Amino acid sequence: DSGVTQTPKHLITATGQRVTLRCSPRSGDLSVYWYQQSLDQGLQFLIQYYNGEERAKGNILERFSAQQFPDLHSELNLSSLELGDSALYFCASSVQSYNEQFFGPGTRLTVL
Amino acid sequence: KNQVEQSPQSLIILEGKNCTLQCNYTVSPFSNLRWYKQDTGRGPVSLTIMTFSENTKSNGRYTATLDADTKQSSLHITASQLSDSASYICVVSSANYGQNFVFGPGTRLSVLP
Repeated sequence: DSGVTQTPKHLITATGQRVTLRCSPRSGDLSVYWYQQSLDQGLQFLIQYYNGEERAKGNILERFSAQQFPDLHSELNLSSLELGDSALYFCASSVQSYNEQFFGPGTRLTVL
Repeated sequence: KNQVEQSPQSLIILEGKNCTLQCNYTVSPFSNLRWYKQDTGRGPVSLTIMTFSENTKSNGRYTATLDADTKQSSLHITASQLSDSASYICVVSSANYGQNFVFGPGTRLSVLP
């Protein structure tokens, strides 16, 4: 158990819908990262927050957005969902940007 | 274009044997290189993190090397165990705007009894 929690574990929805994925980092970690893992593209970095502020942005689509709240938990919002958005979404946390990252168990999103 | 390549794509070895996985990258400017172990359907677990100045780093039976000049890294697994069966992923982060992480496709390792 990494200490990072993600909810829900599974999510099934339809195209065009909007969903919210939630992540609680390890106690004391200020950085939160979001990643997408699909079968055809492997793991991809989406976005990083540090203490509530956006720190780095990767291959995140404009339909996706994220935020980190004052209690340091983070949410990833996915809108206008497409079939290709079906993937495992991982959250990770670390103390600082250059430290070891601890990954959560992931949320499996299926878009039908 | 920032890329990370890994070889071999898959590897089968017998329990107790050693193996070496390779990672080549073109990410620039370089910040650090990480190796992760990922069991199917689970989150990756960090094995090592190396910066530009580090040549070797060990974590138990895992030893990673980095040659920043040739932009190559390797992960050596000693005395393999059945539990080592997993995907091993090389990740290179660039120093542009914080850190941007570029993932390799992974090497799928199967350890047989």
